[in-house]
Amino acid sequence: SYELTQPPSVSVSPGQTARITCSGDALPKQYAYWYQQKPGQAPVVVVYKDIERPSGIPERFSGSRSGTTVTLTISGVQAEDEADYYCQSADRSAIYVVFGGGTKLTVL
Amino acid sequence: QVQLQESGPGLVKPSGTLSLTCGVSGGSISRSNWWSWVRQPPGKGLEWIGEIYHSGSTNYNPSLKSRVTVSVDKSKNQFSLKLSSVTAADTAVYYCARVRRDSSGYYLMWYFDLWGRGTLVTVSS
Repeated sequence: SYELTQPPSVSVSPGQTARITCSGDALPKQYAYWYQQKPGQAPVVVVYKDIERPSGIPERFSGSRSGTTVTLTISGVQAEDEADYYCQSADRSAIYVVFGGGTKLTVL
Repeated sequence: QVQLQESGPGLVKPSGTLSLTCGVSGGSISRSNWWSWVRQPPGKGLEWIGEIYHSGSTNYNPSLKSRVTVSVDKSKNQFSLKLSSVTAADTAVYYCARVRRDSSGYYLMWYFDLWGRGTLVTVSS
């Protein structure tokens, strides 16, 4: 079955830039989405259609893509950004939804 | 403002059937949206289960398809999940979510823009 691969963890100091990658063979053919999940809470979408940011999401969150990899960039990381981040897409034929394994962002 | 709320038993016996309902408030389930279930085992990642349109059309995760049924009750403005033959591996927080789905663009847009708070279902005797 199709998989999206994320690093298990990323650590940055406040004010620095965090980059979280997500790789998958079908990403050149499907949009990618990013969710932030804080402990005990439901996920919240922070980037959709690769690069779009929903209303209410801070400008420091941005998305990009290059080939089979998409990247969530958080510029000027704040303590409140510490959370788990999941990428999501669909398989090449758009039959089912796939999530990446998640990346724990730690703000040092 | 649309809100979603999961409800159902928090404990299911092994080999039994897990049944959950998602109530939609603040809006009609018959609007042009798909509605979905996603689960998350304790300490693990997210897994898509399946989705339904108000017309009754469904799509399921191939890995769960043989055990899953998602249905809709427009009169009650809710949709439901049934997962049969459950084992301890089905222990998870189950979320219902609203789907944004649009095939008019270059690629299919397909993601979740609104989630319920989730409900923990434990499979144990």
